[in-house]
This record gives sequence, structure tokens and C-alpha cells, in this order.
Amino acid sequence: DAGVIQSPRHEVTEMGQEVTLRCKPISGHDYLFWYRQTMMRGLELLIYFNNNVPIDDSGMPEDRFSAKMPNASFSTLKIQPSEPRDSAVYFCASSFSEPDRFGVKNIQYFGAGTRLSVL
Amino acid sequence: AQKITQTQPGMFVQEKEAVTLDCTYDTSDPSYGLFWYKQPSSGEMIFLIYQGSYDQQNATEGRYSLNFQKARKSANLVISASQLGDSAMYFCAMREGPTIRGGGFKTIFGAGTRLFVKA
Repeated sequence: DAGVIQSPRHEVTEMGQEVTLRCKPISGHDYLFWYRQTMMRGLELLIYFNNNVPIDDSGMPEDRFSAKMPNASFSTLKIQPSEPRDSAVYFCASSFSEPDRFGVKNIQYFGAGTRLSVL
Repeated sequence: AQKITQTQPGMFVQEKEAVTLDCTYDTSDPSYGLFWYKQPSSGEMIFLIYQGSYDQQNATEGRYSLNFQKARKSANLVISASQLGDSAMYFCAMREGPTIRGGGFKTIFGAGTRLFVKA
């Protein structure tokens, strides 16, 4: 299994430009999560999907951020327009509702992340 | 509201010794899951171990064990026989849900503990 694949690994852009981050989840996983990691705020959940449907986007910082999941094997996180404070590592993770003795495990597996720098 | 607390910003341990990384959580949901992830300097997030709230047995995965004390709301990670490769950032995370009705898997992460293993 290839794991969660994110692209690009690094992105450098200028303030005001549109940025699109991409994610391919593990095949068969029914949940997809987008996180942002910064030194100041740690790891924050931005949005997550279940079966391609957005479930909770309360972590999306503002209207400049949008996320889509057009099918089970692809998701995008878009920032338009980008600002220097958006500089961070963005992680995508996917999970499968795996039953265990007591309920559901739902272990999230992370991609390698995209390091975004907005100048 | 969900809350995860890791009170140790940094820890040192001698190679081959055991070390405990602390994690306390707060939730009013009876159904939740607790996770530990490792983030080495290369940046990827590696899943280590999972504990479900209804499971009374402490989870173990190789050299990792999770000391789950439900009444105290703590989920400490124990690493036995530390190795130099264990030097990394370690994150505790909590997922609320699912419930019998189903539902989402919103996850929050603690601030992390940086572990240094000395030769």
C-alpha cells in the first residue's frame, strides 16, 4: 500500500497567489482529514470528510480556505488569496472505520505533509 | 469541550531505559479513542498505539504501551528499552465518538513532548 500521498511536498508562493494542495488517501479509507501544523498553534484539524462529504469544517480559519473531495481517491485544499500567516505544514490523513471489540477504531494515517511558505 | 494536555515539553532518557510520556484529557463523551503519534525530525506523523474508551485492557504494540487510567483521564505512553531512533516529538490525540447513532471523528492533538534519547 502506497500510503497517503500529498503533493507538492514544498510550495513557495507570493502573498495573494492561489495555492492548491493535493491529497490521495489510502484506497478503501472512508475518512479524510486536513490538518495544519505551526509552531504557535500546534496541529489543528481544519476539515474532515466521510465518504467524500464534508462533515465538520469548523476548523477552517476563514473564507480564503476551501476544501473539496470530488471522489474517494482525491482531495484538495485551496487557499485564495494566500497570506504570509498561512505558512505552515499541511497534513492530509485518511482512516477506515475498522470495528473492534468495543466500537470503531478509526486510526488516522498521515501523508508526508506539504510545507507551504507564503512570502 | 475536548482538551488534551501534555505537560512535558521535553524529556531525556538514557538508551535502553524505559520512559513515560504524560497525557491527560478531558471529555464528556463516553465514547472516545486515544492515540499516540511519533514525529521524527523528518516531519512525518507515525501512528504508534490506540486505546478505546471502553477497553479496560491497556493497549500494547511492541515496545509501546499505553497506561490508560480512565478515572484519572490519563493516557500515558510508556516506551520500554529506549533506542536512539526513538528521539522525536510525541503527540497524544483524542477522538470523540462514534456514538451508537454514528457520527463523526473530530480529533484534537496535544502540544507534544520532545524526547531525547542519550547514548
